[in-house]
Order: sequence, then C-alpha cells, then structure tokens
Amino acid sequence: DAGVIQSPRHEVTEMGQEVTLRCKPISGHNSLFWYRQTMMRGLELLIYFNNNVPIDDSGMPEDRFSAKMPNASFSTLKIQPSEPRDSAVYFCASSSRDRDGYTFGSGTRLTVV
Amino acid sequence: AQSVTQLGSHVSVSEGALVLLRCNYSSSVPPYLFWYVQYPNQGLQLLLKYTSAATLVKGINGFEAEFKKSETSFHLTKPSAHMSDAAEYFCAVSDDSWGKLQFGAGTQVVVTP
Repeated sequence: DAGVIQSPRHEVTEMGQEVTLRCKPISGHNSLFWYRQTMMRGLELLIYFNNNVPIDDSGMPEDRFSAKMPNASFSTLKIQPSEPRDSAVYFCASSSRDRDGYTFGSGTRLTVV
Repeated sequence: AQSVTQLGSHVSVSEGALVLLRCNYSSSVPPYLFWYVQYPNQGLQLLLKYTSAATLVKGINGFEAEFKKSETSFHLTKPSAHMSDAAEYFCAVSDDSWGKLQFGAGTQVVVTP
C-alpha cells in the first residue's frame, strides 16, 4: 500500500491566488481528515469526511476554504483567495473502523507570499 | 469536549537516559489516546495507541505509555534515549480509534551526546 498520498509536497503562491491541495486516501479507508499545522496553533482539524460525506467542518477557518470528496479515492482542499496567514503544512489522513489504521500523508507545505 | 495537555514544549535528554514525555487528558467519555512522532519535514507516525485494552501500551522504537485513569494521564517513556529519537512528539485523544483527533501542542525532544 502506498499510504496516503498528498500533492503537491510544496506550494508557493502569491496572495490572492487560488490554491488546491490534493489527497488520495488508503484504499478501503472510509474516513478522511484534513489537518493544518502552524507554529502558532499547532495541529488542528479542518474538516473530515465519512463515506465521502462531510461530517464536521467546524474547523474550516472561513469561507475562503472549501473541501470536497467526490469519490472514495480523492479529496481536495481549496483556498480561494489565499492569504499569507494561510501559510502552513496541511496534512491529510485516512482511517477505517474495520481496519486498524489511521494514517497521515506527508503533508503539503503551503507558502503564500 | 476532549483535550490533551502536554507538559513541557521542549525536553532535552542525554543519550542513554530515560525519556519521559507527559500528557494529561480531559474527556467526558472513555478516551482513545495516541502518541505520534514527527521528524523534521515529515508527516506524523503513530508510536502507540490506547484503546481500553491493556493499560500499559508498547509501541514502536522502544517506546511505551501507561494509561492511568485516576491521574488522567498517558505519559510516554523510553528507558534509553537514542540520537534518532530527536523529533517532536504529539499526544492526541479521540472518541474512537478511527475518528477525529484532538492534538496536544507537542513536545520537542533534543538528544545530547
């Protein structure tokens, strides 16, 4: 198993631009999570899906952030327009009740200048 | 609401000495507790987890943690530190073994020769 795959690994963009982060969960995992890591706020949950349905998006900072999971093997986190304070490492993770595993991807380091 | 508190944002240990990282939790339901390790510029790797079975949990890389309900604690230990243990360690709590995680602020471990 290739694990949770995130792309890109690094993204540098200018303020105001749209940014799309991508995640491919582990096959068979039915829950998917997006976390953000910053020095100031640590690791915080942004949103999570269960069976492709958003369950809790209370951690999404504002309307500029949106996340989708069109199928069981793909999810996106979009920021439009991006701001310098969005600079962080964004992690995707997947898990399953039936399988012993909660796996994180390697993260996307986003820098907004 | 669930939360975890990690005591000490930085810990320095000598190579070969005991590693002790403290974590206290707050939960209104029986908690699932986790320790993760993050090496520089990498994702999070699960060290061990408590899921209401044995109170002493053994993990990878020689780490173990003991769940103490009376103290609401889940401290992480390793008898003898190795240089490769230098990393950031996160304690986390969840309602279950596959759901959203609430992370502590993390403890940076430095190992000195």
